[in-house]
Amino acid sequence: GENVEQHPSTLSVQEGDSAVIKCTYSDSASNYFPWYKQELGKRPQLIIDIRSNVGEKKDQRIAVTLNKTAKHFSLHITETQPEDSAVYFCAASYGYSTLTFGKGTMLLVSP
Amino acid sequence: DTGVSQDPRHKITKRGQNVTFRCDPISEHNRLYWYRQTLGQGPEFLTYFQNEAQLEKSRLLSDRFSAERPKGSFSTLEIQRTEQGDSAMYLCASSLGGQTVLLSGANVLTFGAGSRLTVL
Repeated sequence: GENVEQHPSTLSVQEGDSAVIKCTYSDSASNYFPWYKQELGKRPQLIIDIRSNVGEKKDQRIAVTLNKTAKHFSLHITETQPEDSAVYFCAASYGYSTLTFGKGTMLLVSP
Repeated sequence: DTGVSQDPRHKITKRGQNVTFRCDPISEHNRLYWYRQTLGQGPEFLTYFQNEAQLEKSRLLSDRFSAERPKGSFSTLEIQRTEQGDSAMYLCASSLGGQTVLLSGANVLTFGAGSRLTVL
């Protein structure tokens, strides 16, 4: 089955800095890669996703890049704000298969 | 509220007792998933339904766990003879599934707020 590794486990940045979270996946058939944000005590919420026919996708301050050859994808957050502080999860799936999640990255943005 | 609803939000029980969680998915979603999340970990897949059919079960789902979706709408997850290791957040999610997934190439899951289980 699919295995998703996520790094780093914690990331501390100053407000205004950029943050990058990286994930690798094992199943070359995986074609859908979402990122979820989970604030303390709340549900995971989809913030951005990318499909395997696209190399990069942006939505305001967040972007995701995908390297299918290397089987890794990354989340980039620019101009970080304190409200970006949360746990971020990457995931991967193929078609109808279930999403396999990474272990998460706790992002702390200091004012 | 048209999101995914879970009940109860918190459950404290003694070891050996049975517990049941309920999930009401988004009404037009035909796929329903159960995940388990422990502190510091990502959600781990337990099982999923397409309509009323349970199509996949993880090896994490021991024989003490049973899930149903009798009419293809809400689902229940029952844990019998609870153990302290069952303490976790149980997350339900739903998605459209079907041709929408095939055409879009994206199985977009919407999560509920979860049911937190504490086994004493």
